[in-house]
Amino acid sequence: QVQLQESGPGLVKPSETLSLTCTVSGYSISRNYYWGWIRQPPGKGLEWVGSISHSGGTFYNPSLNSRVTVSGDTSKNQFSLRLSSVTVADTAVYFCAAYTATNDVHYWGQGTLVTVSS
Amino acid sequence: DIQMTQSPSSLSASVGDRVTITCRASQSIRSYLSWFQQKPEKAPKLLIYTASTLQSGVPSRFSGSGSETDFALTISSLQPEDFATYYCQQSYSTPRTFGQGTKVEF
Repeated sequence: QVQLQESGPGLVKPSETLSLTCTVSGYSISRNYYWGWIRQPPGKGLEWVGSISHSGGTFYNPSLNSRVTVSGDTSKNQFSLRLSSVTVADTAVYFCAAYTATNDVHYWGQGTLVTVSS
Repeated sequence: DIQMTQSPSSLSASVGDRVTITCRASQSIRSYLSWFQQKPEKAPKLLIYTASTLQSGVPSRFSGSGSETDFALTISSLQPEDFATYYCQQSYSTPRTFGQGTKVEF
C-alpha cells in the first residue's frame, strides 16, 4: 500500500519560497505513477499544482507561471514542491498525491496547511 | 486550460434520496473524468475514474456516466455517510482541472 506524508514549514512570509517534501513508503517513486501536488485554500476548492513522473518529466499549472518547481529524490524516495514569491493567495492545505494517467490509482497524503503571513 | 463546471454548487437532500451531480467540460475529454468525495479536514477519496468505473471498495450506490463533455455522478440512495463535497476532475490534459465542487447537505 502506497503511503504519502507531507512535511515542511507551516508558516511562510510573503515574497519568500514555500518548500514542502512528500515522503513515500510502500512504493518506489521511480517505478511508476505521477507524483504530484494539489492544494486547497481554506473553504475553497481543489487546484492541481504540478507533478513529476516516475521517469522525471515535470508538469506544471500555467496559472502559477514559473513560480513552481517539482523535483524528486529517488535515494530518499521523496518528491518536493517549491513555490517562489508567495503571497497570501498561496495560503492553502497542500496535498501530495500519486496517480496514473487515467486515475485508476490515486493515493493522497493527509495534507499540510501552509499559511503565508508576515 | 480545460474548464470544468459542476452543478449544482450545493444541494439539500435526505437519507434515501436519489442525487445527481453534473459536470461539464469546456472541450471533449473523452472519458478521462474522475469523481472524488471529500469530507471536512480530510483528503479527497477517489470514487469513480474513466467516467464510469467504480473504484474498488466504493459502494455500488455510486455510479458515473457520460463522455466527451457531459458527465454525471449519481448516488442511488443517499446514506448518512454520503454527506460531503464532491469534485469532478479531468485527466485528459495538463493542468488536471477540477470542478468547483458540490456540497451535499441536509
